[in-house]
Amino acid sequence: AQTVTQSQPEMSVQEAETVTLSCTYDTSESNYYLFWYKQPPSRQMILVIRQEAYKQQNATENRFSVNFQKAAKSFSLKISDSQLGDTAMYFCAFVYSGNTPLVFGKGTRLSVIA
Amino acid sequence: DGGITQSPKYLFRKEGQNVTLSCEQNLNHDAMYWYRQDPGQGLRLIYYSQIVNDFQKGDIAEGYSVSREKKESFPLTVTSAQKNPTAFYLCASSMGFYDTEAFFGQGTRLTVV
Repeated sequence: AQTVTQSQPEMSVQEAETVTLSCTYDTSESNYYLFWYKQPPSRQMILVIRQEAYKQQNATENRFSVNFQKAAKSFSLKISDSQLGDTAMYFCAFVYSGNTPLVFGKGTRLSVIA
Repeated sequence: DGGITQSPKYLFRKEGQNVTLSCEQNLNHDAMYWYRQDPGQGLRLIYYSQIVNDFQKGDIAEGYSVSREKKESFPLTVTSAQKNPTAFYLCASSMGFYDTEAFFGQGTRLTVV
């Protein structure tokens, strides 16, 4: 079974600072995709960033970037220049080519403090 | 605008009643999913469907049922057999499995009264 673990239930960061959210996963597959989703207080799930396992280059989207370590099965999210609007639950998710839906971690609640 | 719509936003159910949560998408997506979200539990998969007239149980299917008679619709029924139905329910869709982004509805908060 594929599992996703987020070891930090809650985190906080000062506005304009940088924060890193951790995610590890367990799989025997070689081809898969990893995602970070954001769920703000509105509870609307929003895709933040995605990473293809076959790509060595880490994905980036503006202030959001990942550190993908395939051998270590680690997929952390770095948020630079944190903004108040970044306050949300962040979920790490995984899917592989075995025709199964996304598997989610339990989430990290991030609070950005002014 | 294309998107995925869940209704109602809030739903109250008496114990022993069945209730149906609606999920409609106009994205022409093949795959649709239902997840349950509880505090500290993340998103857990209830049911999913890859194509019309086909669906599969997820990790926590007991006490739930679904249908997929139309491509754009994937309603979820919470039956009286579900012992703890109070939760936030999210519907999602994607073009297909594996490499495509899942789009989510705004969710339904179900409360048993």
